[in-house]
Amino acid sequence: AQSVTQPDIHITVSEGASLELRCNYSYGATPYLFWYVQSPGQGLQLLLKYFSGDTLVQGIKGFEAEFKRSQSSFNLRKPSVHWSDAAEYFCAVGPKAAGNKLTFGGGTRVLVKP
Amino acid sequence: DGGITQSPKYLFRKEGQNVTLSCEQNLNHDAMYWYRQDPGQGLRLIYYSQIVNDFQKGDIAEGYSVSREKKESFPLTVTSAQKNPTAFYLCASQGWRGDYGYTFGSGTRLTVV
Repeated sequence: AQSVTQPDIHITVSEGASLELRCNYSYGATPYLFWYVQSPGQGLQLLLKYFSGDTLVQGIKGFEAEFKRSQSSFNLRKPSVHWSDAAEYFCAVGPKAAGNKLTFGGGTRVLVKP
Repeated sequence: DGGITQSPKYLFRKEGQNVTLSCEQNLNHDAMYWYRQDPGQGLRLIYYSQIVNDFQKGDIAEGYSVSREKKESFPLTVTSAQKNPTAFYLCASQGWRGDYGYTFGSGTRLTVV
């Protein structure tokens, strides 16, 4: 069965510092990969996604993620964090066929210090 | 603009009452999902539907019911059998063309009073 692990439940980072959120997955084949962000009291918004091709994917709000097949990882990065990046981040893996659900990680809450 | 709408944003329920949360999408998506969020517990799947007039239980279906009479609509009823209904509820939709990613609504916060 597929699974997604986000090892860090909480991360605190200073404003202007770099951020990296880890995501490891277990899946039968290379899946579609997603990162979502959730601000408090809001729904989830898609940050970026990977299907195939270039393993470095650019997303919205200055985020990028790198797919590493050998490590079954899809880590999210941002070079310089802004206070507005304080939120919860979810990694998800999905099927390459219609009719299947996404599997979500448990989320990583990011706190930004002034 | 296409999107997914949840209403109401806030809902209060008395003990023993059933309440229904609305979820409507105009994305022509085939599948729809209901998740529950509690602090520190991520997303837990309640029910999902991949086609009209068909739905399946998720991981925490007890005390909830759904219907899917129209492709656009997937209402969730929180029944009196749900012992701890206070939570944040998220609806999502998924199309079978393109990337199979989810589009989420903005959520409904349900509180028992």
